[in-house]
Amino acid sequence: SQQGEEDPQALSIQEGENATMNCSYKTSINNLQWYRQNSGRGLVHLILIRSNEREKHSGRLRVTLDTSKKSSSLLITASRAADTASYFCATDKTGANNLFFGTGTRLTVIP
Amino acid sequence: DAGVIQSPRHEVTEMGQEVTLRCKPISGHDYLFWYRQTMMRGLELLIYFNNNVPIDDSGMPEDRFSAKMPNASFSTLKIQPSEPRDSAVYFCASRGQNTGELFFGEGSRLTVL
Repeated sequence: SQQGEEDPQALSIQEGENATMNCSYKTSINNLQWYRQNSGRGLVHLILIRSNEREKHSGRLRVTLDTSKKSSSLLITASRAADTASYFCATDKTGANNLFFGTGTRLTVIP
Repeated sequence: DAGVIQSPRHEVTEMGQEVTLRCKPISGHDYLFWYRQTMMRGLELLIYFNNNVPIDDSGMPEDRFSAKMPNASFSTLKIQPSEPRDSAVYFCASRGQNTGELFFGEGSRLTVL
């Protein structure tokens, strides 16, 4: 399976702290994406990083990609209670159009 | 655009009944995906379409599951007959031809008793 694995499975931090989530995958990829899912809702796209990129920023989000290690990390800086959600990485295999999701990290930000 | 629209949002049915889930993708999107989410198995890709044509249905669990896309603005996922282990949240997602970003609907929560 190409499915990614997120680590940790669950993370609890205080508001204002930074949150780091990691993702590992198995095969060569075109892109790696991160999504967020609030409880009972659909997934929302956060950021996409291409296989030839090493780092990308979007607001309080910072994503890194290490294709040699087949891993990525998502950093959320200055976390807020509203960041409480599950976060998923997703990869698409080189030459394919389908997107496979990891197991997710459940982030809780305590006010 | 209203985004990806799924119906019903919730369905409770009895084992053996037919279930039909519906999806309206974002206008102009060429790709449509059906996913299933459970606590045990996470998000599983069931099938995806490109320009209304099924491209990869290797994730469809059994012959009881079928999906169609009769036109660019409508897709269905049908389970017949349904079983309790089919209980899950089913998501539809769409994307454009030249972007990787998926747009998800709010999901259809299915409970089979």
